[in-house]
This record gives sequence, C-alpha cells and structure tokens, in this order.
Amino acid sequence: KQEVTQIPAALSVPEGENLVLNCSFTDSAIYNLQWFRQDPGKGLTSLLLIQSSQREQTSGRLNASLDKSSGRSTLYIAASQPGDSATYLCAVWGGYQKVTFGTGTKLQVIP
Amino acid sequence: NAGVMQNPRHLVRRRGQEARLRCSPMKGHSHVYWYRQLPEEGLKFMVYLQKENIIDESGMPKERFSAEFPKEGPSILRIQQVVRGDSAAYFCASSPLGTEEKLFFGSGTQLSVL
Repeated sequence: KQEVTQIPAALSVPEGENLVLNCSFTDSAIYNLQWFRQDPGKGLTSLLLIQSSQREQTSGRLNASLDKSSGRSTLYIAASQPGDSATYLCAVWGGYQKVTFGTGTKLQVIP
Repeated sequence: NAGVMQNPRHLVRRRGQEARLRCSPMKGHSHVYWYRQLPEEGLKFMVYLQKENIIDESGMPKERFSAEFPKEGPSILRIQQVVRGDSAAYFCASSPLGTEEKLFFGSGTQLSVL
C-alpha cells in the first residue's frame, strides 16, 4: 500500500525567503507525481506535474524534482510571497490510475 | 472549456436524511475520483469511476455510501441516513482517458449534518 508523507507539516517563513517542501512515498513504482496548492475553503489547484521519466519541472518561481529510486520529490519556491500562503499537497499516481495524496504542508509567508 | 463542476457548493442535512452530491467532469474526461476531507486533515480517497463502471471503491465506507457515473449526466455520490461524522468537504476530480494522467479538481461540496 502506497503511503505518502510530507514534511514539515507546517512552515512559517518571512517574505522573500526561498524554501523547500518535501514529499516521500513508499512505493517507487509510480507513473506521475503532481503538486497542488489548496487555499482555505477551496478546491485544489494543480501546480506542476512530473512524469516518471522526468526529473524536474519548472513553472515560474516553482521547481519540482523527482527521485523515484529514493521515493522523494521536492517543491522549491523561490522568493516567497504572502500570496504563496496555502497548503501544499503532493499526489502520486500508481497502477490502475490509483492516486494517493500526501498529508500536506501548511505554508505561511509573513510580510 | 469549463472546469470540474460540483454542486451544491454547500449542503445542510439533518441526521437520517439523504445527501446527493453531483460532479460534472471536464469535457472529454471519462475518469472521476471522489475524495473526502475532514477539517485540518488530508484528502482521503473514496472511489474511482469510469463511465458506467466503478473501478476502485476501496476507500468507500461499506454502508450508506454509493457512487455512480452514468453514461449520460454527472457523477453522483450518495450518502444515505447521514450522521454527524459525515460532515466534511467532498471533492471530485476528473482526468482524461489515457492521454495524460493529471487530476483536475472541482471546488468541492461542504456537507454539514445537523
């Protein structure tokens, strides 16, 4: 059974700081990994999708990396802004279209 | 191309009533997933459906909960005889068939059981 863990569970940083969010998964036989953000009371917004054959994806100030062999992905946020405050979730795609979500990291960027 | 549409946005039910949550996937998407999220907790998988088929319902409670995705119309998550513990946000996500494994989420239905 796939288990996905995100560390830290919560993070508070001053504006402008670069930061890294971590996602670990127990079964390395994955197809894709997707990062989302969720704002309070809202649905999930897709940030980045990394296919299993890729090692990283970039979108603006965001960079996500994937190391399947070690069961890890990181989301790097450069020059953080208060608008980045949200909960960040990673999700891994296994066989038979099974998608397992991580526990989430709640980020607060302080102005 | 409208996104994943869920309705109602908020649903209030008294204990013992039935709750019906609807999800219209994005155009061209034939895979639908339902997730439940309790306050301050992560997303818990409930069920995965394709048109007219339940593929994986391993996360669905055995009693009172059912889901369908008919040939025509939205996917329905049905909760019979609701209890207070059913109060949660229910999210639907859709994915295209075979082209790209990527989830697109709706805004969710907040179910409150009085």
